[in-house]
Amino acid sequence: QITLKESGPTLVKPTQTLTLTCTFSGFSLSTRGVGVGWIRQPPGKALEWLALIYWDDDKRYSPSLKSRLTITKDTSKNQVVLTMTNMDPVDTATYFCAHSAYSSSWPFDYWGQGTLVTVSS
Amino acid sequence: SSELTQDPAVSVALGQTVRITCQGDSLRSYYASWYQQKPGQAPVLVIYGKNNRPSGIPDRFSGSSSGNTASLTITGAQAEDEADYYCNSRDSSGNLWVFGGGTELTVL
Repeated sequence: QITLKESGPTLVKPTQTLTLTCTFSGFSLSTRGVGVGWIRQPPGKALEWLALIYWDDDKRYSPSLKSRLTITKDTSKNQVVLTMTNMDPVDTATYFCAHSAYSSSWPFDYWGQGTLVTVSS
Repeated sequence: SSELTQDPAVSVALGQTVRITCQGDSLRSYYASWYQQKPGQAPVLVIYGKNNRPSGIPDRFSGSSSGNTASLTITGAQAEDEADYYCNSRDSSGNLWVFGGGTELTVL
């Protein structure tokens, strides 16, 4: 059974760095063909893909946020960490992590419950 | 701006069939995945690949693709299908991911 859970601060101030942790179980991020991604959703708005890390440590980032994002994994802890620098109120959103695995479309087949991050002074 | 375009809202009468579409150049090369999201909940994968349903997804959900358009069809829509639906696929480079803007489905 695959599960994922996001954790991190619920409130950050503008210009601060956000660090979110995705703790998962039921799979290993050292298994070939597996990835973990981050997706966010501002209140009342659409989903936005942010980043994904593969089993082989290959990393992909949204072009519009690439300069602010870093994704890393700790295979021994079954965790993936996303950092986002220079937070702004427009970054207020629910942040989801999700499992992805090789298939014809690399779908995000398991999702965490999400964590709401508010950016405000 | 999203590279995948969806109609913002669609409605369907209870028990009828509805098609939700997603357009984008990358769909000529890559399959779309479709997600259902109800208020306050995480998205749920309903269709991926050519036309695959994860375990537990009713067979009234199906997917198809033609040219630059992917479609999610719900045959015999139920009240519980009322939700937001998002498509997702690779971008044109094939290296990154993108989501559509979402379609709000109302079951009348």
